[in-house]
Amino acid sequence: NAGVTQTPKFRVLKTGQSMTLLCAQDMNHEYMYWYRQDPGMGLRLIHYSVGEGTTAKGEVPDGYNVSRLKKQNFLLGLESAAPSQTSVYFCASSYWGRTNQPQHFGDGTRLSIL
Amino acid sequence: ELKVEQNPLFLSMQEGKNYTIYCNYSTTSDRLYWYRQDPGKSLESLFVLLSNGAVKQEGRLMASLDTKARLSTLHITAAVHDLSATYFCAVDPGTNAGKSTFGDGTTLTVKP
Repeated sequence: NAGVTQTPKFRVLKTGQSMTLLCAQDMNHEYMYWYRQDPGMGLRLIHYSVGEGTTAKGEVPDGYNVSRLKKQNFLLGLESAAPSQTSVYFCASSYWGRTNQPQHFGDGTRLSIL
Repeated sequence: ELKVEQNPLFLSMQEGKNYTIYCNYSTTSDRLYWYRQDPGKSLESLFVLLSNGAVKQEGRLMASLDTKARLSTLHITAAVHDLSATYFCAVDPGTNAGKSTFGDGTTLTVKP
């Protein structure tokens, strides 16, 4: 049981380049999330999805786009990378509704924008 | 807007000592989570607190929830080096919105 898998684990981009981060979960979770973690700032929600085909903005959505074409996958795109997007990105997933289940996190993607 | 505040943000303690981390939140909620993150690693769930007065314990860690005070505590008993990590609390807004708001984390260092 892999849980939540993020690819790639590390990436270095030049300013203006684009890329897509992939998140895959095998727990049949309805909800999926993308966070960024910067030193001293905890986790900030970028976008999230409450089900296949749906997406919603989180706290810091600017400069990012997402898609959830399949229930198990949640993609995060950077169309034109900027140095301010240098961060560690975490994907997470959870069950729907008022259950007692916490979020399950991937191992993170460390992204550097030069 | 739900705000979650943890204190302290940094905590250095000696092995064998006790201490408490506090998590305050700004709006009504009855669902709170504690996570642990080791340096360079992902987050893992520690506790899920679902009602007023809920108390959960595992090993040297005990978490509690007071929904009336909008406060959760994570108590560390007789700290050991292996507990060194960053601890996050996260709160659901209670609207079934499907997303949690995280505190900034408390980085705990346990020294011999």
